[in-house]
Amino acid sequence: EPEVTQTPSHQVTQMGQEVILRCVPISNHLYFYWYRQILGQKVEFLVSFYNNEISEKSEIFDDQFSVERPDGSNFTLKIRSTKLEDSAMYFCASTLDRADNYGYTFGSGTRLTVV
Amino acid sequence: KQEVTQIPAALSVPEGENLVLNCSFTDSAIYNLQWFRQDPGKGLTSLLLIQSSQREQTSGRLNASLDKSSGRSTLYIAASQPGDSATYLCAVRRQGAQKLVFGQGTRLTINP
Repeated sequence: EPEVTQTPSHQVTQMGQEVILRCVPISNHLYFYWYRQILGQKVEFLVSFYNNEISEKSEIFDDQFSVERPDGSNFTLKIRSTKLEDSAMYFCASTLDRADNYGYTFGSGTRLTVV
Repeated sequence: KQEVTQIPAALSVPEGENLVLNCSFTDSAIYNLQWFRQDPGKGLTSLLLIQSSQREQTSGRLNASLDKSSGRSTLYIAASQPGDSATYLCAVRRQGAQKLVFGQGTRLTINP
């Protein structure tokens, strides 16, 4: 069964450093997403991306965050200057089409720890 | 603003029992609802997707129902097994939006 692949599985970074989280969505999917889950809290939407631009973003997704699809397969989330409160599990997801007839497929996540 | 609530927060039952997990949402103008399973420290595995026009979906021992007018969904697990132990999340997608709004989950423990 097709998978969404995320790397690395765990990243530790110092406060103020930039991090890039990487994702390879399912190859024929057109819509891509980032969500995060702070320990013990709900999964929260960050951003959706379609046709090389952001289609929707949450209030969490401020100027320190950016997303990019640098080539035909990768989808990245960059956090410019990490803060302690950015520590969370970050999930990438993709859907086939806007009609969402098949639902979301999520990756296994990247655990980001900011120290 | 869509709010999703799951009750109970935790549930522990002996193996073999049938059980029901509940999900409620405040805005009935949803596009679809999806149930996920999350193992500790792991990603989200999709279990069932119910479109707003559907009443229920089944996969193996799992059955999910949707009552859009009352803002409720249930996940029924038949003949529970220790391997079913996980956190179960429901998430709704509002009409006109791309994002999913998640509940806080029900942590299920099946005791052998």
